[in-house]
Amino acid sequence: SAVISQKPSRDICQRGTSLTIQCQVDSQVTMMFWYRQQPGQSLTLIATANQGSEATYESGFVIDKFPISRPNLTFSTLTVSNMSPEDSSIYLCSVSPGGGRGEKLFFGSGTQLSVL
Amino acid sequence: GNSVTQMEGPVTLSEEAFLTINCTYTATGYPSLFWYVQYPGEGLQLLLKATKADDKGSNKGFEATYRKETTSFHLEKGSVQVSDSAVYFCAHVSNSGYALNFGKGTSLLVTP
Repeated sequence: SAVISQKPSRDICQRGTSLTIQCQVDSQVTMMFWYRQQPGQSLTLIATANQGSEATYESGFVIDKFPISRPNLTFSTLTVSNMSPEDSSIYLCSVSPGGGRGEKLFFGSGTQLSVL
Repeated sequence: GNSVTQMEGPVTLSEEAFLTINCTYTATGYPSLFWYVQYPGEGLQLLLKATKADDKGSNKGFEATYRKETTSFHLEKGSVQVSDSAVYFCAHVSNSGYALNFGKGTSLLVTP
């Protein structure tokens, strides 16, 4: 299992600013994932962050907009850059402690972001 | 592409009623299927899973059977409780094999 601490839990930000979301895991994990959940929508995978390599972004997401750091096996950050109201969403950190294909994922409680 | 479709909510039921939340998927091959649940104020957590056709996942009185002929994984519970009020997400493993593709979620409210 894994316990994930994600912060901030919520924030209200001004257009054009950036917010960095932190994800701390209580155990070492190889694979970490960042998801976005827009109002009324499903969870959408933003990127996969493996320690020691560049994050892999899904279609529609780019590093300049969502830079990710993965300095060690227990921590990652996602930055939402140059925010606009369309970025208002819940951002979720997720890990796969088992590291294998088809393994269950554990999720943080999310960061609710509102952009004015 | 791969996707998951689940029934629209919100679903409102009286306590002890029968619950079905429909989920269908499109995918290459036969990926593992999952139901996740998000209780109010909490993070998503795995409710049950099935890894191959005809498998039945079960947990906390909930069940779902992997039906490859109908590409479905419907969630059922014979008698819901107020404490089952939550948002339920159907998911399957993505093409990468590691991340998950989720449906939009179905909100369930159970009233006394």
